[in-house]
Amino acid sequence: GNSVTQMEGPVTLSEEAFLTINCTYTATGYPSLFWYVQYPGEGLQLLLKATKADDKGSNKGFEATYRKETTSFHLEKGSVQVSDSAVYFCALSPGGATNKLIFGTGTLLAVQP
Amino acid sequence: GAVVSQHPSWVICKSGTSVKIECRSLDFQATTMFWYRQFPKQSLMLMATSNEGSKATYEQGVEKDKFLINHASLTLSTLTVTSAHPEDSSFYICSGRDYNYEQYFGPGTRLTVT
Repeated sequence: GNSVTQMEGPVTLSEEAFLTINCTYTATGYPSLFWYVQYPGEGLQLLLKATKADDKGSNKGFEATYRKETTSFHLEKGSVQVSDSAVYFCALSPGGATNKLIFGTGTLLAVQP
Repeated sequence: GAVVSQHPSWVICKSGTSVKIECRSLDFQATTMFWYRQFPKQSLMLMATSNEGSKATYEQGVEKDKFLINHASLTLSTLTVTSAHPEDSSFYICSGRDYNYEQYFGPGTRLTVT
């Protein structure tokens, strides 16, 4: 079956620290991979995505590379800011017409000044 | 980006009553809308997929007679929890998919059944 596993939080960092949130997946076929972010009181927003192996998604200083050999899609940022504090969800879409999303449990990131 | 709203943002109802949650795409047409349920510290679980003007497709284990979904227009979908019980208490989130297959999420509705 299809599933996503991401590291449990909360992750607490100081401003300008390096961020890594691990995400691994299990899927049949060739899924697309996503990172969504949820700021307090708001809906999930697409942060970045990758649709095939070795693709790198990037946005707002965040990056993630689709690694088929390790079935991973780890989220990284070189220097976090207080405004990055949010819940981050890793997700996959198995493909096909329905465009379903299967989510990980989410990781709360708290960045302290 | 595109905006999806949900109403109400939170609701408390008594056991045995029904409650309706609205999901609206404010600035785009959503041919497909998705309903998710989220338990504390758990991932979003897809409940059903609805296409405008047709019956919803429910995920395995989701009772379609309990969670009624209507997608009457390209901008509105509703989820009605019928005969609610305390175990239905949860956070319900909808999303709308536009013509580019991007999904945009609502802020969620907190349901508490007493």
